[in-house]
Amino acid sequence: EPEVTQTPSHQVTQMGQEVILRCVPISNHLYFYWYRQILGQKVEFLVSFYNNEISEKSEIFDDQFSVERPDGSNFTLKIRSTKLEDSAMYFCASKDRGRTEAFFGQGTRLTVV
Amino acid sequence: AQKITQTQPGMFVQEKEAVTLDCTYDTSDPSYGLFWYKQPSSGEMIFLIYQGSYDQQNATEGRYSLNFQKARKSANLVISASQLGDSAMYFCAMSLVFGNEKLTFGTGTRLTIIP
Repeated sequence: EPEVTQTPSHQVTQMGQEVILRCVPISNHLYFYWYRQILGQKVEFLVSFYNNEISEKSEIFDDQFSVERPDGSNFTLKIRSTKLEDSAMYFCASKDRGRTEAFFGQGTRLTVV
Repeated sequence: AQKITQTQPGMFVQEKEAVTLDCTYDTSDPSYGLFWYKQPSSGEMIFLIYQGSYDQQNATEGRYSLNFQKARKSANLVISASQLGDSAMYFCAMSLVFGNEKLTFGTGTRLTIIP
């Protein structure tokens, strides 16, 4: 069964460093998303991406964040200068046209120290 | 804006019993979808079931059913014959139904199945 794949599963980084979280969505899907979940809290929307551009972003998704789909298969989230409060589980999700449900990757746990 | 409310932070249920997880929602848009996701301790988000706002019948997927009461704006998840593997965090979510609409999640309910 096709699945969304995220790498790495866990990343530890120093405050102020740049991180890139990688995702390979399901191959025929058209809509891509990043969500985050701070430990013990609910899942929050960060950004949606369609047709090679951002379609919506939340107030969390400030200038420190960017997304790219560099090669038609990968979908990346970059945090330019990490802060302690960026520590969270980051989920990538993708959705097919005409389908209602989004499928999530297994998540990347980011720890900023 | 959409809002999801889950008022049960935790529930304990005996194995093989049925359990209902509560979810209420708020939106002014007439076209929306309601979802339930399961998050086991390993952390991944697993899609369970979907209900569209115009669907006449309650959605069912195996042991999962969604008790959709539109007038009350509730979308409760019912798990029949609970199993130990059902122990997990359960999130209710909603989205508008056009294209790439994002999911808005509730705070979740931690379900523990007791042997």
